[in-house]
Amino acid sequence: KNEVEQSPQNLTAQEGEFITINCSYSVGISALHWLQQHPGGGIVSLFMLSSGKKKHGRLIATINIQEKHSSLHITASHPRDSAVYICAALPYSGAGSYQLTFGKGTKLSVIP
Amino acid sequence: NAGVMQNPRHLVRRRGQEARLRCSPMKGHSHVYWYRQLPEEGLKFMVYLQKENIIDESGMPKERFSAEFPKEGPSILRIQQVVRGDSAAYFCASSPGTGASYEQYFGPGTRLTVT
Repeated sequence: KNEVEQSPQNLTAQEGEFITINCSYSVGISALHWLQQHPGGGIVSLFMLSSGKKKHGRLIATINIQEKHSSLHITASHPRDSAVYICAALPYSGAGSYQLTFGKGTKLSVIP
Repeated sequence: NAGVMQNPRHLVRRRGQEARLRCSPMKGHSHVYWYRQLPEEGLKFMVYLQKENIIDESGMPKERFSAEFPKEGPSILRIQQVVRGDSAAYFCASSPGTGASYEQYFGPGTRLTVT
């Protein structure tokens, strides 16, 4: 069974700060999603990655398959980045290889 | 290309009533996944469907819950005789295929409140 752990659970930052959210998982995976959820809102997919690094605007996601670890970075954080960030792992193969396993989320608050 | 649509966005039901949640996948997507987010908990997989087929319902409670994805129309998650513990946000996602090559796109969710 895949366990997905995120840290920190809660994060408060000043506007402009560089932010890192971490995600580790326990079994081999084929891909990892980073998702964003605003309070009472829907879920937006930020990245899906299988290796290396992806960048979109001020967001950067990295993954180290050997170490079973991924990070989401936000550069020049802004109050509108305040949300819950969730990582979700897709198992490598076999039965249930479409079943995303989710971390509990990191609640980010960016203060002006 | 419209995204994944879910309706209603908010649903209030009394204990014992039925709840029907609808999910229209993105155009061209024939794979649908339902997830549940209980208050203060993470998202959990419920069921995976393709058109007219339930592929995996291992995450669904054994009783009162059912799902379908007919040839025409949206996918439906049906909860019979709702109880307070069913209060949660229910999200569906869709993809054009399954596995690491295919990203799942999420809908806005339906927030079910059982009174």
